Amino acid sequence: GQQLNQSPQSMFIQEGEDVSMNCTSSSIFNTWLWYKQDPGEGPVLLIALYKAGELTSNGRLTAQFGITRKDSFLNISASIPSDVGIYFCAGQLAGSGNTGKLIFGQGTTLQVKP
Amino acid sequence: GAVVSQHPSRVICKSGTSVKIECRSLDFQATTMFWYRQFPKQSLMLMATSNEGSKATYEQGVEKDKFLINHASLTLSTLTVTSAHPEDSSFYICSVRRRTEAFFGQGTRLTVV
Repeated sequence: GQQLNQSPQSMFIQEGEDVSMNCTSSSIFNTWLWYKQDPGEGPVLLIALYKAGELTSNGRLTAQFGITRKDSFLNISASIPSDVGIYFCAGQLAGSGNTGKLIFGQGTTLQVKP
Repeated sequence: GAVVSQHPSRVICKSGTSVKIECRSLDFQATTMFWYRQFPKQSLMLMATSNEGSKATYEQGVEKDKFLINHASLTLSTLTVTSAHPEDSSFYICSVRRRTEAFFGQGTRLTVV
């Protein structure tokens, strides 16, 4: 199925460093959602974005809905060991309604060295 | 608190048997639920959309007779993996949309031996 292009695929960083990951597509989206998944668990919603240019924070996490509506990024500041996990972006295509299917990125695996 | 409850979290079954996975929407009525499958180190792959009171919509390549979906009430959808085989071993996750957000269950790790 169709997927978003999420990068980087994996990151190995030192505790305290900032992290940035992004998702891009050739299609226009009306919703971007960012999730974190721990091993053996379902994804947990971190941030939801609904408007082009929207910038939203949740603690040390900040995400933005791209102006072109074709991309989004997630930043994590001052990373800590519990930030370890897989981060997924998910988007809903414009014109698919508010309860339509989501398209997922391939995921970014984050490892943090204490 | 949790929005979606999925059960069981882990199941091991013998090849040829059937396994039922439940997905419950805890605090709102969900006319639509989504079932995903996830292989190790891969992204979530949508299998089907469960519609309350009507037939599920399956994604291309997903066998409807293999993965039976029932959405008999506004708070419960079930996925039954019929005549399971080792290649059906995977992580199955359900999801519900509440307004414009999507929430996921805890997932079910199915191992077919």
